[in-house]
Amino acid sequence: DGGITQSPKYLFRKEGQNVTLSCEQNLNHDAMYWYRQDPGQGLRLIYYSQIVNDFQKGDIAEGYSVSREKKESFPLTVTSAQKNPTAFYLCASSIQGVAGELFFGEGSRLTVL
Amino acid sequence: DQQVKQNSPSLSVQEGRISILNCDYTNSMFDYFLWYKKYPAEGPTFLISISSIKDKNEDGRFTVFLNKSAKHLSLHIVPSQPGDSAVYFCAARRDSNYQLIWGAGTKLIIKP
Repeated sequence: DGGITQSPKYLFRKEGQNVTLSCEQNLNHDAMYWYRQDPGQGLRLIYYSQIVNDFQKGDIAEGYSVSREKKESFPLTVTSAQKNPTAFYLCASSIQGVAGELFFGEGSRLTVL
Repeated sequence: DQQVKQNSPSLSVQEGRISILNCDYTNSMFDYFLWYKKYPAEGPTFLISISSIKDKNEDGRFTVFLNKSAKHLSLHIVPSQPGDSAVYFCAARRDSNYQLIWGAGTKLIIKP
């Protein structure tokens, strides 16, 4: 079945540690996105990529990094520089270059202890 | 600066009745609007969309209405079913090269 797979689903991290969230898609979509969801807020865009080896910052990129070495994969690293990393992280992809209908993974919940 | 607002954090509706979820926006440049549905601990799933050149789009039990002069859109679900209980997000796009701007979501609870 085609879809987007995020892992891990739940992750605990100590302060000062970097952590990488995985996102893989087999939909053959060009564009991929990382969003963050906090209670009572809409989804906020962290990074997006329209094509392999290229990505752009979203609204809240500080403290995060990404890579897009393969079309299928768009991992997100939450660095120790991110001041409030505890959140629900969502990866998405789309057929259209930017902001068409998005297909989401099931999300990864990161908790910093 | 919230460009897309969903002012009702939650809404409770009797099963079989109509559910109406509202969304307001401030940017008149938005040209495409989408509704997503989200269950707990899952990613959102696309529900229905509407282009700014239309004022209504219907898909089965779901209809989205767009009032450009009021910068308002609404999602109607009729009849409401228990499986419709979820958080509904409204999102807007300025043009094909602009990212989606999301509302904060409305939690819909369908009572049996």
